[in-house]
Amino acid sequence: QKEVEQDPGPLSVPEGAIVSLNCTYSNSAFQYFMWYRQYSRKGPELLMYTYSSGNKEDGRFTAQVDKSSKYISLFIRDSQPSDSATYLCAMHNNNDMRFGAGTRLTVKP
Amino acid sequence: GAVVSQHPSRVICKSGTSVKIECRSLDFQATTMFWYRQFPKQSLMLMATSNEGSKATYEQGVEKDKFLINHASLTLSTLTVTSAHPEDSSFYICSASRKGQGSGELFFGEGSRLTVL
Repeated sequence: QKEVEQDPGPLSVPEGAIVSLNCTYSNSAFQYFMWYRQYSRKGPELLMYTYSSGNKEDGRFTAQVDKSSKYISLFIRDSQPSDSATYLCAMHNNNDMRFGAGTRLTVKP
Repeated sequence: GAVVSQHPSRVICKSGTSVKIECRSLDFQATTMFWYRQFPKQSLMLMATSNEGSKATYEQGVEKDKFLINHASLTLSTLTVTSAHPEDSSFYICSASRKGQGSGELFFGEGSRLTVL
């Protein structure tokens, strides 16, 4: 079993749709949870960063962490074509950091 | 915001030559820098972790004599691919952790695409 599982997609949605991206993990020691967005041939950029369980909202983006279920989510409201990218989940516990495989999202106008 | 600059963004070299990639934190001091390799349509694979002034810690399976990492200052880390071969062709990305910042907040460079002929 991989430490971090993320469905690679591809995921295609119409403009304006709500997008739900998810990751599960196995190491309960992870405490910091991040979502990165990566456009083609570019380095990842940090979208959301949360510590422990709970929700965090930033504009159209909401990150949720459920440590009891070892499950994290990223929701994108009112999705735009410019949101088309690969979204990587990542988690960290000071000593170890792991990335998900990334989900390729396409938002069609 | 924190900016990490990576150079060169693209490099093409002949088999057997060595290539150096630089990673600089432009507006902050980076206590730790990470180097990753990314194959097409795949996630980031951590190669090594480097702390300023100390030897890099390599992940299992990464040849430290082939991928030389130097972290000479709090704003610069370099990755040298020695005696490059076509199988070393890949997208190499660095990230940096800001000194004094909470764990996990990494800032990534734009990546360097290496093509070995």
